[in-house]
This record gives sequence, C-alpha cells and structure tokens, in this order.
Amino acid sequence: RKEVEQDPGPFNVPEGATVAFNCTYSNSASQSFFWYRQDCRKEPKLLMSVYSSGNEDGRFTAQLNRASQYISLLIRDSKLSDSATYLCVVNTGNTPLVFGKGTRLSVIA
Amino acid sequence: DTGVSQDPRHKITKRGQNVTFRCDPISEHNRLYWYRQTLGQGPEFLTYFQNEAQLEKSRLLSDRFSAERPKGSFSTLEIQRTEQGDSAMYLCASSLGGSERQETQYFGPGTRLLVL
Repeated sequence: RKEVEQDPGPFNVPEGATVAFNCTYSNSASQSFFWYRQDCRKEPKLLMSVYSSGNEDGRFTAQLNRASQYISLLIRDSKLSDSATYLCVVNTGNTPLVFGKGTRLSVIA
Repeated sequence: DTGVSQDPRHKITKRGQNVTFRCDPISEHNRLYWYRQTLGQGPEFLTYFQNEAQLEKSRLLSDRFSAERPKGSFSTLEIQRTEQGDSAMYLCASSLGGSERQETQYFGPGTRLLVL
C-alpha cells in the first residue's frame, strides 16, 4: 500500500463549482499534514496546513480524520486560476515530507 | 528574490556524463532537502541536511548520487555516470529547522535534467 494515496483525476469542473479531493495515508504515526499546489512545470507551493479541528482559508477548506487516516480538501466557487495539481502531503515527524501523486484539477469556463 | 534558488534550471547531458546541481536556500533556513519528481508522480525524498550535517538519505540515492552542504548554506547534488532513468526534475526545499514539527518547506523552481 502506498504511503499517501490520491485519486489522480483529472477533475474537470465548470467555473463556480465546488470540488472535493480526498487523500488517505497509511502511517498512523503521521503527525502533520499539508496540501500543496503545483502548476504545470513549476515547483510545489504550500496551499494550507491541515489541522485536526479542520481549517478554512477563503474558498478552501481542509479536514483531517485521524481515525480513518483521511484528509480532504474542498474548493468552493472554483476559478479558472485554481487549475493545477493538488498534492496531499504527510510528515511523520522524523522523516521529510511524503507526497501523494497529486490530483489534477481543470476548471473550465 | 529571497526564495529558494536552483541552478541550472535545465540540463541536457549524455548518458555516462557527470552533472552537478546547486541549491541556495532561504538565508535563515537551517534545513535543506533534495527531492526528485518524475512525470505523473509527486516529489520523492532523496536526502536532507541540518546545517552542514547530512542526516538522512533515501534508498533512491544510489552510490552514483552525492550531496554536500559544506558551510551549511548552499548545497550541491552530483550525479555521476548519468543514466536515462535519472531524467527528472530535481527539487530543493528549505525550512527553518526548529523544534516545530509542522514547519513549512519552501521549494525552489527545480532543475530539469534530461539524459540522452
């Protein structure tokens, strides 16, 4: 089983839609969780950290379910500029980041 | 620009040649990481430094790969006797390296290597 698993997509959604991405992780000792965004041929950039209580940043909401070892990202009112690959990232605390393969999102006008 | 920088941005080489990449982290960051990313995959960890000390190496880092951070500032990643399978984007990241485990890693633009 992969350490971090994501649906690769692509998710093709119209502007204004709400879209949700899910991610599961295998290491129950994982301590911190992130969503990174990566544009085509660019470096990953931190979108948001994911906290146990869930957190929101504008149109983006992240949730963590430790019991199910599951992380989610919800994007509301999608914009064309949201088109990118979204990487689910996990850290067990003793090793560097473990990335999923990413979920590709295309927002269509 | 005070972000992470990498040089060169692109490198084309012939199989069997040696290549060296450089990474300059954000100036106050103590930790420096190297990752490799191939098409359709997320970045995969290669190695990391806390100041000048290399603390961890991935099994992906074969004996043809070597990394250094001699003064705890910039780092180099060398690949000897390159193979076509080494073609990838090599990403460098840095972080503050304090006791905060949820510290953020900031990535450089990457060096895209193509081995012919």
